[in-house]
Amino acid sequence: QVQLQESGPGLVKPSETLSLTCTVSGDSISSYYWTWIRQPPGKGLEWIGYVYYSGSTNYNASLKSRVTISVDTSKNQFSLKLSSVTPADTAVYYCAREVGGAFDMWGQGTMVTVSS
Amino acid sequence: DIQMTQSPSSVSASVGDRVTITCRASQDINIWLAWYQQKPGKAPKLLIYAASSLQSGVPSRFSGSGSGTDFTLTISSLQPEDFATYYCQQANSFPRITFGGGTKVEIK
Repeated sequence: QVQLQESGPGLVKPSETLSLTCTVSGDSISSYYWTWIRQPPGKGLEWIGYVYYSGSTNYNASLKSRVTISVDTSKNQFSLKLSSVTPADTAVYYCAREVGGAFDMWGQGTMVTVSS
Repeated sequence: DIQMTQSPSSVSASVGDRVTITCRASQDINIWLAWYQQKPGKAPKLLIYAASSLQSGVPSRFSGSGSGTDFTLTISSLQPEDFATYYCQQANSFPRITFGGGTKVEIK
């Protein structure tokens, strides 16, 4: 049974870099597209970007200048870095697996607050 | 980017009711549409993919239809556990994926 688990700091200061890791268990990360999605409090879902096990990436155009997603196949993990954060980046951050255009497995989500 | 518009934004219904949610794409997305259910404090759960394919383990009272720009999610007989927020998501412009704004199904 595939499980995804996000980890990382729950509080980040403005202008700093948000860093999260998603650990995949029950399946090899060496297939599928692995994705980050976020949801500000009380709002809808926003796709951030994906990484393929080969390392190829693609990002939401609105975040592209600040986002880096990477993969570590040896640890079965992939990571998100979002630089120069502001309070508008406060959200629940989810990692998910993409299959055929849909996200069939999700982590439980981790709340990240941007505040001094 | 392709814009996804859901309607209504909220609906009040009773157990046993038939509920229909609509999602409209700003351009043709063929059948590249998925539906999710999200309960408070939980991650979204995939219900339907490729517009009308039921995800494994999802009750058959959920169904999806449509192609092109207009899509619907139908719950044939609303159950207590179905009160939640529902989102559509397009993947025609993969990897530029976008979600609808959500429809909250509330108890009448």
